[in-house]
Amino acid sequence: EAAVTQSPRSKVAVTGGKVTLSCHQTNNHDYMYWYRQDTGHGLRLIHYSYVADSTEKGDIPDGYKASRPSQENFSLILELASLSQTAVYFCASRDIYEQYFGPGTRLTVL
Amino acid sequence: GDSVTQTEGQVALSEEDFLTIHCNYSASGYPALFWYVQYPGEGPQFLFRASRDKEKGSSRGFEATYDKGTTSFHLRKASVQESDSAVYYCALGEGNAGAKLTFGGGTRLTVRP
Repeated sequence: EAAVTQSPRSKVAVTGGKVTLSCHQTNNHDYMYWYRQDTGHGLRLIHYSYVADSTEKGDIPDGYKASRPSQENFSLILELASLSQTAVYFCASRDIYEQYFGPGTRLTVL
Repeated sequence: GDSVTQTEGQVALSEEDFLTIHCNYSASGYPALFWYVQYPGEGPQFLFRASRDKEKGSSRGFEATYDKGTTSFHLRKASVQESDSAVYYCALGEGNAGAKLTFGGGTRLTVRP
């Protein structure tokens, strides 16, 4: 069974602090993605990667960095967390057509 | 840039009702179109896709037809069940076989028993 896992599942961070969200996939997929979900905005793409050691900007990359150290792992980094980054974050991997999503990380920035 | 519009933010139906969720897109090229479903507490799941004009995608009793003329990909189901209650997302895919997705705002479907 294909699997995408995320850690932590929930996090409270302080404004200005650094936050790292981690994603691990056992699908052997090349493509991986980070999205944020906000009420009324659906899912918006932050960063994605199609090969290890390389990342691409998505539609809303400002305030976020991404790191893909291996095919299996993809991290999202908030260097200076802000209130506006409170959201649910989803990681996904992709085979030919279908994206497989993880369970999400609920991030609250106070 | 490319965009997807889902007209209904929320839909409330009774079991065995007919479902339509409207999805319209704007794109410069010829994108692939997708429907995803998200159940409470989970990540979205792929439902189906279509990649050319007049192609019908379907899964689990849901279906949608790619209409390039009206730039639409409306989701339909003949008889909904309570277990269909979820959020439904329409998306368009750009690039390598639709590698980069742009999602609509989502439609929350509630089905009363």
